[in-house]
Amino acid sequence: EVQLVQSGAEVKKPGATVKIPCKVSGYTFTDQYIHWVQQAPGKGLEWVGLVDPEDGETIYAEKFQGRVTITADTSTDTAYVELSSLTSEDTAVYYCATIDSGRPFDYWGQGTLVTVSS
Amino acid sequence: DVVMTQSPLSLPVTLGQPASISCRSSQSLVYSDGNTYLNWFQQRPGQSPRRLIYKVSNRDSGVPDRFSGSGSGTDFTLKISRVEAEDVGVYYCMQGTHWPWTFGQGTKVEIK
Repeated sequence: EVQLVQSGAEVKKPGATVKIPCKVSGYTFTDQYIHWVQQAPGKGLEWVGLVDPEDGETIYAEKFQGRVTITADTSTDTAYVELSSLTSEDTAVYYCATIDSGRPFDYWGQGTLVTVSS
Repeated sequence: DVVMTQSPLSLPVTLGQPASISCRSSQSLVYSDGNTYLNWFQQRPGQSPRRLIYKVSNRDSGVPDRFSGSGSGTDFTLKISRVEAEDVGVYYCMQGTHWPWTFGQGTKVEIK
């Protein structure tokens, strides 16, 4: 069974950095990209970026470029998203997902709520 | 970035009746390999999203056949043949042809 398991909610102060893990199991970690998606309270889905666990290559949405780092640790089959210089606008649920555009393979984590508040 | 525009944004439907959601992209979603990477996702209240449709019209595993996708180029449609209570939620189109991937604003489906 494929599973993506994320960590619990985080509360951070403005200007801080948050790093969220996504532990993968049930398939070969290096076979699929890991995507991260942001959902602000009551809002829609926004694609943050992805990592190719096979070689560590990343692609980021321009909105997050410069503040986001997505990595993959093949020794623990865990992907991470790190977001720095947090502001209240970063308050959101962050989902990791593995989405294969060309075949029926789509799995999501349960989401991690990040609250940025002073 | 490719802009995905959905309509309507709110869709009250009667149980057992059909529903249709439109999605338009600001540029063609046909990739160089000839495929069109247009996806539809469902997000039920309080749940993570899940994909229903990939490559315009292919249903993901376990998706009921009352869901169907169609379209080409820049215009796409998700149809629910007979809405059931479990279909309540927000539906998003998402393009995976151009980087960065982009979502539509979402269409909220509710029961009248």
